[in-house]
Formats: sequence, structure tokens, C-alpha cells
Amino acid sequence: AQSVTQLGSHVSVSEGALVLLRCNYSSSVPPYLFWYVQYPNQGLQLLLKYTSAATLVKGINGFEAEFKKSETSFHLTKPSAHMSDAAEYFCAVSEDTGRRALTFGSGTRLQVQP
Amino acid sequence: GAVVSQHPSWVICKSGTSVKIECRSLDFQATTMFWYRQFPKQSLMLMATSNEGSKATYEQGVEKDKFLINHASLTLSTLTVTSAHPEDSSFYICSARATLAGRDEQYFGPGTRLTVT
Repeated sequence: AQSVTQLGSHVSVSEGALVLLRCNYSSSVPPYLFWYVQYPNQGLQLLLKYTSAATLVKGINGFEAEFKKSETSFHLTKPSAHMSDAAEYFCAVSEDTGRRALTFGSGTRLQVQP
Repeated sequence: GAVVSQHPSWVICKSGTSVKIECRSLDFQATTMFWYRQFPKQSLMLMATSNEGSKATYEQGVEKDKFLINHASLTLSTLTVTSAHPEDSSFYICSARATLAGRDEQYFGPGTRLTVT
């Protein structure tokens, strides 16, 4: 079985500040890990994914995440927050990239203060 | 890129009626589609896995007679909520499996918001 824990249901940062959204996973097999962003009343947009290649994964909109097996973590970061980054962020885990469904974390709502 | 559409984007229906939601892969064939539901301010929960030409596999706790899934072609899966009740009000999101350029990935639709009055 797989599971994802996102620490902090709400994170608030100032515009220009570092964004750090935390994700820890549990998996009995080598995991595939994903970060998605969801804007109000919209579907999911893939930010980035880890598929056992490089441990530091760069995604869209300046986001990146680092896979740390020893810590079972896959935290999402962005050096400088922008107002447009305000949204809900979901971390997800799967046994592969397509064949299996994703197991999602509970989500973190990011607020960006001017 | 791979595009998945859902129709309708939102629907309001009366309690006791049925509503059908379509999930289409527009520019690729999807042998597998997944249906998720998302309650307000909550995460996505997998409802069922839909494979073309075969019966859907439902997650524990999901009533297969209430949530009818039909994956009739490689580009279309439908979710029918039968005898809808207010507690079925939710955001329903599908995803489709695509194998493109040697990569196996899932692509999500924009979601359908169902409100049952």
C-alpha cells in the first residue's frame, strides 16, 4: 500500500519569499512521485514528477522538488513566490507513471501575501 | 500534448435523477481511465479504474450500481451517477493513461462539478 502525507494544510508566504511545501510518502515498492497544482474550480496541472532518474526534479513555473529516499520525502520548493502561485498543491505517489492510479495527499493551500 | 476533456463541466440535477459525465481523450487512445471524486476542500479519492472493453474495477466503498462506468471505446469513458442524492454532490475528475513517445503517463481532465438539489 502507498500513502502520502502533506504537512501543513495551509502555508502562507510573502511575495518574493521561498516556498516550501512538504510531502512524505510511504511505499513498499520504488515510488513514482508527483506534484500537481489545482486552481479554484479547475482540474489538476502537473508541476513535476520523479521517475527514478535524477533526484532533483525541475518542473514548470520555477518549481522543483528533491527526492530523498532516506527521509522518504519529496518536498516542493520555489525560490521566489509570485502572487499567481496561490493555489492548492497536491503530492501524489504511484507504482508507475501510467498504469496505476495515483494516491494523493490531503493537499496544501498556498497563500501569497503582497 | 495529450488532452483530456470532460463534459459537462458542471451540472445541476434534482435528487433521484441520473446524470452522465463523459471523459474523452482528444488526441490519443486511452486503454485505461481513472475516475476520482473530490469533496470540497479535500483531496482526490480514486473511485474506479476503467479499462476499454471490460468491466470497471471499483475501489472499496464505492457502489458500482450507483456509479456506472462504461469504457466503450479507446477515447471515451462515461460515469453515470444513478438516483443521485445531495451527498453525491462533488467534483468528479477523470484521468487517462497515454503511451506517447515511449512514455507512459496519466493526463487529467478539467473536472465536472455535480450539484444535486
